Amino acid sequence: EDKVVQSPLSLVVHEGDTVTLNCSYEVTNFRSLLWYKQEKKAPTFLFMLTSSGIEKKSGRLSSILDKKELSSILNITATQTGDSAIYLCAVGPHGGGSNYKLTFGKGTLLTVNP
Amino acid sequence: GAVVSQHPSRVICKSGTSVKIECRSLDFQATTMFWYRQFPKKSLMLMATSNEGSKATYEQGVEKDKFLINHASLTLSTLTVTSAHPEDSSFYICSAEPWSTDTQYFGPGTRLTVL
Repeated sequence: EDKVVQSPLSLVVHEGDTVTLNCSYEVTNFRSLLWYKQEKKAPTFLFMLTSSGIEKKSGRLSSILDKKELSSILNITATQTGDSAIYLCAVGPHGGGSNYKLTFGKGTLLTVNP
Repeated sequence: GAVVSQHPSRVICKSGTSVKIECRSLDFQATTMFWYRQFPKKSLMLMATSNEGSKATYEQGVEKDKFLINHASLTLSTLTVTSAHPEDSSFYICSAEPWSTDTQYFGPGTRLTVL
């Protein structure tokens, strides 16, 4: 059975801190790893990673995949209160269409205090 | 690009009634859409995969007669919760994958409350 494990489950930091969120996976037929941010509504897409060692960056957020270690990290620098959310990691298999079912981790709840 | 909408965003209904939730891909076509359910402080649980022009594929433990899915066109899938009960109260989210992107984009979700 495919498994995605995120750590920590929750994290409280102060504005300006840097945080690192972890995601490890055990899946058959790995194709891609995705990070989402979920605030009060549905998840919004952050990154999709398919290749090891290539960092993806968007503003203060960055992410990298390590296929050897079967893991990924999501970094947020100079955190702001608006970064408070649940960060979800999901892994997708090869094959599109109906075969492309994502397996989600339980998420990391990040709280950034002013 | 890759915008997915859901309607309604919130619905309150009486026990025993049926509720229809629509999921639309606004700027792309999707042969496949996904329906999830999320309980408070829990992760997303995949309920079913909606296939345009054919029957939906349900995950184990999800009642197909209770959660009817219709994928009528390449931009619209509907989920009907039939004979709703209070235990069906939840946050329902759909997603769609633009072809060959390996990325699912989520709708804003529908909060269903059954009284």
